[in-house]
This record gives sequence, structure tokens and C-alpha cells, in this order.
Amino acid sequence: GGIITQTPKFLIGQEGQKLTLKCQQNFNHDTMYWYRQDSGKGLRLIYYSITENDLQKGDLSEGYDASREKKSSFSLTVTSAQKNEMAVFLCASTRTGGSSYEQYFGPGTRLTVL
Amino acid sequence: QQKVQQSPESLIVPEGGMASLNCTSSDRNVDYFWWYRQHSGKSPKMLMSIFSNGEKEEGRFTVHLNKASLHTSLHIRDSQPSDSALYLCAASGSGYNKLTFGKGTVLLVSP
Repeated sequence: GGIITQTPKFLIGQEGQKLTLKCQQNFNHDTMYWYRQDSGKGLRLIYYSITENDLQKGDLSEGYDASREKKSSFSLTVTSAQKNEMAVFLCASTRTGGSSYEQYFGPGTRLTVL
Repeated sequence: QQKVQQSPESLIVPEGGMASLNCTSSDRNVDYFWWYRQHSGKSPKMLMSIFSNGEKEEGRFTVHLNKASLHTSLHIRDSQPSDSALYLCAASGSGYNKLTFGKGTVLLVSP
């Protein structure tokens, strides 16, 4: 078994601010993901990484940067927070050859921009 | 254009009833379908996966897949209030490393 931890759990920012979210996993998984979920709806892929120092853009990468400096960690940066933005950011990981393996999710970071 | 379409958007079933959820992909390159369940305030957890044509049953949950039409359905019999959640369908293709999720179906099981 393993676990994914995300920090912080809640993040409150100001419009225009750069904000960083962190994710750690101890599954020893190669592939990690960042998703955004709005209002309890579906997940949209922001970035993913199939190995350390690899970055692949998802459908929603504009306005975000990501960093995978270690196999176990994956960070996401909101480059300029948008006013009244509210969303949950979910980190996930899976084994190598990820298309046929289950993704495991972290508990999420809830972002509010004032 | 949403590549994974789910229907209905929301569904209310009585306790003990049958819930049927649908999902179709418009991407002909997909090979794998997944159903995730997300309780309110929690993260999604994989419920069932199906990769071959036909049916797969696990307890009260049955999933069907028709690869020709890229349609999958999830059926929950003897629904319980604890089944109330957001059900997310996802699809992936061999050689891909990513899932495409639908917008989900909100299931409410009324006691």
C-alpha cells in the first residue's frame, strides 16, 4: 500500500499571486498527475509526468507550471491567481505504462482566490 | 468538445433500487474504461475497470462494455444511501499515460 499527501489542504490567495501546491507519493509510482475539479464536476488534466524531470501538458495547462524534481514529488504552480477562482486540485499517481493501471488520488488542495 | 460523455447528469433512486449510469467515448483510440466513485469532500477512488467486451460483476456492481460503440454502463443493484456520490467515467488508450474523464453523474439514493 501507499499514500499520496498534498499540501496545503486549503490555500487562500490574492488575485495575481503566484501559488504553489505540492504532492508527495510513497507508492514508488513513475507517473504523476495534476487535475483540477470545479464544483464537484469532472476532472480536467493540467500536467502529468512519466518520470522525474519529465513534464507533459494536459488540456488545461495554460496559467500553470509544474515541476518533477524527484520521483516521489510533483509540484504545481498557479502562475497568476484569478479573482473569485475556486477549485480543488487533485494529485494522482500510477504505475509505469499508466494507461491500463489504476490511478490513486490524493486528498486534494482547495483553492480560493479573494 | 467533451470526449467522454456521461448520462444522466444526476439520478435519484430509492433505497434498494437499481441505478444505471452511462458513458460513451468519442475517441476511437481508447481501449480501457474506468469507473471512479467520489463521495462528497473526498477524493475519487477506482470502483471498477473494464477492458474487454462484455460484462464484469463485483458484488452489487456490474459494468458493461461495447467496444464497437465505445459505450460502457455501470449498474448498481440494491442501491444503498452510502452509494450516493459522484460517479466519474474515464477512458484511456494503450500507449497513453493519461485518462480522459467525463463530467460525472451525481447519484442520490433516497432512504
